[in-house]
Amino acid sequence: EVQLVESGGGLVQPGGSLRLSCVTSGFTFRSSWMGWVRQAPGKGLEWVATINPDGSEKYSVDSVKGRFTVSRDNPKNSLFLQMDSLGAEDTAVFYCAKFCSGAGCDGTFDFWGQGAMVTVSS
Amino acid sequence: QSALTQPRSVSGSPGQSVTISCTGTSSDVGRHNYVSWYQQHPGKAPKLILYGVSERPSGVPHRFSGSKSGNTASLTISGLQAEDESDYYCCSFAGSHTYVFGTGTKVTVL
Repeated sequence: EVQLVESGGGLVQPGGSLRLSCVTSGFTFRSSWMGWVRQAPGKGLEWVATINPDGSEKYSVDSVKGRFTVSRDNPKNSLFLQMDSLGAEDTAVFYCAKFCSGAGCDGTFDFWGQGAMVTVSS
Repeated sequence: QSALTQPRSVSGSPGQSVTISCTGTSSDVGRHNYVSWYQQHPGKAPKLILYGVSERPSGVPHRFSGSKSGNTASLTISGLQAEDESDYYCCSFAGSHTYVFGTGTKVTVL
């Protein structure tokens, strides 16, 4: 069974930093593209970042470039999101998601974690 | 990277069909067939229900179907059931390993 479990969310002051973790199991993590998606309270989903299997390629939405860094530890089947210079607009549930790796399913998030709430407030 | 446009809400009676549109641009929906749809119940994580415009993952009921024409993708739920009441989001590859989601649609079963 595929499982993704996020942790590290919480309350942080504006300008502060937070590191989210996502521990995975049930699939070959080291071969999988992974991503982060967020959802502000009462709002829609927003793609945040993507990382390739060996961590050499990283992509992110313009609004977090230079502030958020995605990384991974393949031996520990773990994905991370380092978030710096946080602002109120970053308040959201952050989901860790696995990209589908089967034939014809490119660009698809096939499994999601339960989410980690990040609240940026003074 | 503007969000794809979806209707805010759609509704239908049990057994009826509803269709949700997802309008993007020639740089995302119109250029790629990497369009997926997700169902999200309140307080829960999104769940994949369609990928590659019209493919259903294992376990997703056949009443969910998808199509695309030009810059607009569509999700149709045929034979609406009470458990289909949920929020639905489309998502498209937008080039250079970037993705864009739709604004989301609330489906109400009357």
